[in-house]
Amino acid sequence: KNQVEQSPQSLIILEGKNCTLQCNYTVSPFSNLRWYKQDTGRGPVSLTIMTFSENTKSNGRYTATLDADTKQSSLHITASQLSDSASYICVVSGSYNTDKLIFGTGTRLQVFP
Amino acid sequence: AAGVIQSPRHLIKEKRETATLKCYPIPRHDTVYWYQQGPGQDPQFLISFYEKMQSDKGSIPDRFSAQQFSDYHSELNMSSLELGDSALYFCASSGRTSGTYEQYFGPGTRLTVT
Repeated sequence: KNQVEQSPQSLIILEGKNCTLQCNYTVSPFSNLRWYKQDTGRGPVSLTIMTFSENTKSNGRYTATLDADTKQSSLHITASQLSDSASYICVVSGSYNTDKLIFGTGTRLQVFP
Repeated sequence: AAGVIQSPRHLIKEKRETATLKCYPIPRHDTVYWYQQGPGQDPQFLISFYEKMQSDKGSIPDRFSAQQFSDYHSELNMSSLELGDSALYFCASSGRTSGTYEQYFGPGTRLTVT
């Protein structure tokens, strides 16, 4: 069964600290992996998108890594800010040239001052 | 830059009523997707349209129907509403014809069924 699992479910950190979120998937075939940030009650906003040939991609303070062999990805947030408080969702596209997305259950990040 | 527009942003309906949600994709995007996100849950894919034709179907109840119009906007029609239909409904768009599979999400419509 195609699944995307994320850990931890929730995370609390202090402003200015770094953190890393994990994503494991069992989706096959694999096309690409995306990380989205979703503020409460709002639509998901894309942070990064990586194909199987990409190992790392950065977007400002966000850096995503991908290991297609072990089917693992991580999202590293550097120097966290209060505005980083949100849910971070790992999403995998399971087929080539299609757009069917398989969503992870997300990690709820809270950044405190 | 223009984003996906959804209307209304909030909607309150009673059980057994009907509701229509609208989605206006990013200009030149030809594909629209609908998702339902319950409280604390990840978005569930409902249905998608490409060039005004249904392209994929997910967990959309038979009570729901949707279509994409000639101007590429889409409407999700929901009938015989149930309490369990209370959720955030997201629309996303992509430019499949141009090879852009990245989905851009709208702000969502919060539907509350009382």
